[in-house]
Amino acid sequence: KAGVTQTPRYLIKTRGQQVTLSCSPISGHRSVSWYQQTPGQGLQFLFEYFSETQRNKGNFPGRFSGRQFSNSRSEMNVSTLELGDSALYLCASCRGGEDGGNIQYFGAGTRLSVL
Amino acid sequence: AQSVTQLGSHVSVSEGALVLLRCNYSSSVPPYLFWYVQYPNQGLQLLLKYTTGATLVKGINGFEAEFKKSETSFHLTKPSAHMSDAAEYFCAVSPNQAGTALIFGKGTTLSVSS
Repeated sequence: KAGVTQTPRYLIKTRGQQVTLSCSPISGHRSVSWYQQTPGQGLQFLFEYFSETQRNKGNFPGRFSGRQFSNSRSEMNVSTLELGDSALYLCASCRGGEDGGNIQYFGAGTRLSVL
Repeated sequence: AQSVTQLGSHVSVSEGALVLLRCNYSSSVPPYLFWYVQYPNQGLQLLLKYTTGATLVKGINGFEAEFKKSETSFHLTKPSAHMSDAAEYFCAVSPNQAGTALIFGKGTTLSVSS
């Protein structure tokens, strides 16, 4: 069974640009979550999509947005990039039912560098 | 709001020694708790999770954790460290029934010396 796939693995952008990251979840998983990992702030939850709807949202500015498609694949977009957006962005998928303690499986991440 | 505190950003042990990584959480409701491990340039891998039931949870690679509600703790242990255990470990809590939207601790880097 294929794992969570994130593309691209590495990105270099300049301030003010926008970027789109992609995540393909494990087959059968309906929930996709995004996390930002930085040395200073650690791992922070961005948002979760379940069956094409945003189900949970973290405390990030509106420049960060996402969506989920009918095949459960997800994209996140960051507009007007700032230097502080440089981070490893991790995607995680799980079945998503509210039956307690889903196991989230993480992709290897997309490392974004903003110059 | 829920939060997770990992005591000690760096822990060093000798190969064969006991590993103890500390995690305390704050939660107003019974939590779902997780320990994840991250190796360099990789994503996170689940070690174990606590939802309900038995308070001693066994995970992969010989790790286990004990949920202590009275102490709001969920410390991770392994009786005998191996060189391959060197990695960063994260404790996390989920505030919802699905176990998603994880709130992570700052992480503990485990070093193992021979």
